[in-house]
Amino acid sequence: SYELTQPPSVSVSSGQTASIICSGDKLGDRYVCWYQQRPGQSPVLVIYQDNKRPSGIPERFSGSNSGNTATLTISGTQSIDEADYYCQAWDSDTIWVFGGGTKLTV
Amino acid sequence: EVQLVESGGGLVQPGGSLRLSCAASGFTFSHSNINWVRQAPGKGLEWLSYISTTGSTIYYADSVRGRFTISRDNAKSSLYLQMNSLRAEDTAVYYCARVWDSSSYALDPWGQGTLVTVSS
Repeated sequence: SYELTQPPSVSVSSGQTASIICSGDKLGDRYVCWYQQRPGQSPVLVIYQDNKRPSGIPERFSGSNSGNTATLTISGTQSIDEADYYCQAWDSDTIWVFGGGTKLTV
Repeated sequence: EVQLVESGGGLVQPGGSLRLSCAASGFTFSHSNINWVRQAPGKGLEWLSYISTTGSTIYYADSVRGRFTISRDNAKSSLYLQMNSLRAEDTAVYYCARVWDSSSYALDPWGQGTLVTVSS
């Protein structure tokens, strides 16, 4: 089965840039999505197709995907960005695959 | 407003059954592929099941195959998850989520979730 690996936690100072990585075998050959989940809330899609932002998602959120690693980058991180972030890809056997999640502390 | 609202969660004994519902509004439900995803307390997201627009294509995660059944009623804009032979490890918040992008299989929106607790 296909697996995605994320670091359990990332810390960043307010106003700085946060990078959250997601690793998987030949991940760059697949599309990656990212979800934000604030405490007590449902997940929200923040990046799809590696680097596209849905309407309403701030420009400070960006994504990239190459080789075995996808990266979610949050520029000018704000306190409201403190949340859990999950990467997701699709596999023909495992179907929807989620990373274990990364807790971002600002 | 595009919205999904889950219901039907609660406390059930091990070995018991429960049926979850997901009511859709604000979009054409019959044109949308839908998933169930769960999140155990303090844990990450776990995909469970997928159903296509007409119900002709269905997928299950290994962890629930043979115990859970996904279905939909397009006339009622509703999705269901019949859960049988429940175990303690099925305790989680259960979300329904629409497949929003067919290229990346991105899910949006997600419902608010319904809590299922399996305990004696």
